Amino acid sequence: DVKVTQSSRYLVKRTGEKVFLECVQDMDHENMFWYRQDPGLGLRLIYFSYDVKMKEKGDIPEGYSVSREKKERFSLILESASTNQTSMYLCASSPNRGETQYFGPGTRLLVL
Amino acid sequence: DAKTTQPTSMDCAEGRAANLPCNHSTISGNEYVYWYRQIHSQGPQYIIHGLKNNETNEMASLIITEDRKSSTLILPHATLRDTAVYYCIVRVAYGGSNYKLTFGKGTLLTVNP
Repeated sequence: DVKVTQSSRYLVKRTGEKVFLECVQDMDHENMFWYRQDPGLGLRLIYFSYDVKMKEKGDIPEGYSVSREKKERFSLILESASTNQTSMYLCASSPNRGETQYFGPGTRLLVL
Repeated sequence: DAKTTQPTSMDCAEGRAANLPCNHSTISGNEYVYWYRQIHSQGPQYIIHGLKNNETNEMASLIITEDRKSSTLILPHATLRDTAVYYCIVRVAYGGSNYKLTFGKGTLLTVNP
């Protein structure tokens, strides 16, 4: 079974803090993705990566950056957290471009 | 982007088949239909996908109409643990060989005892 894990299920941070969300997959997948999910807006793609040290912007990259130093790990960084970044963050991976994406359990982030 | 239309909610009795419809009338010839589900407070779980032919796996069956404008996900014997939001998604290509999944609002399936 594909296993995608995220570092925290719940996280509370203060406005202006730097926040790191970590995602690890154990299936040697090439592609990794970060989404956020908000009520009424569905899942929106923030960033994705199709190789180590490669990244591409998704639909809503503003306020976020990413890092992929190793194939199995994809980090989402909030440089200066704001209250409008309170959301559920979901990481996913897929073996090749266009193939099925497998999701982690999600991190529910609250920014105060 | 091909859009999908699903009912907001459906009910199903435990042990009966759950048939979840999806309309995707603007789908292009090479776009796949994917189904995921999301149980409350968890990440989406992949169920099944298809292009033209009907597909079946251990979780469900996917029936795609001949004109590909609609599809139905079938859970043959629904259990209480199948209560979830079910998303029908058309996977679209963009920017060369990149693909994205656009999740809509989905159908809340409630399986009743």
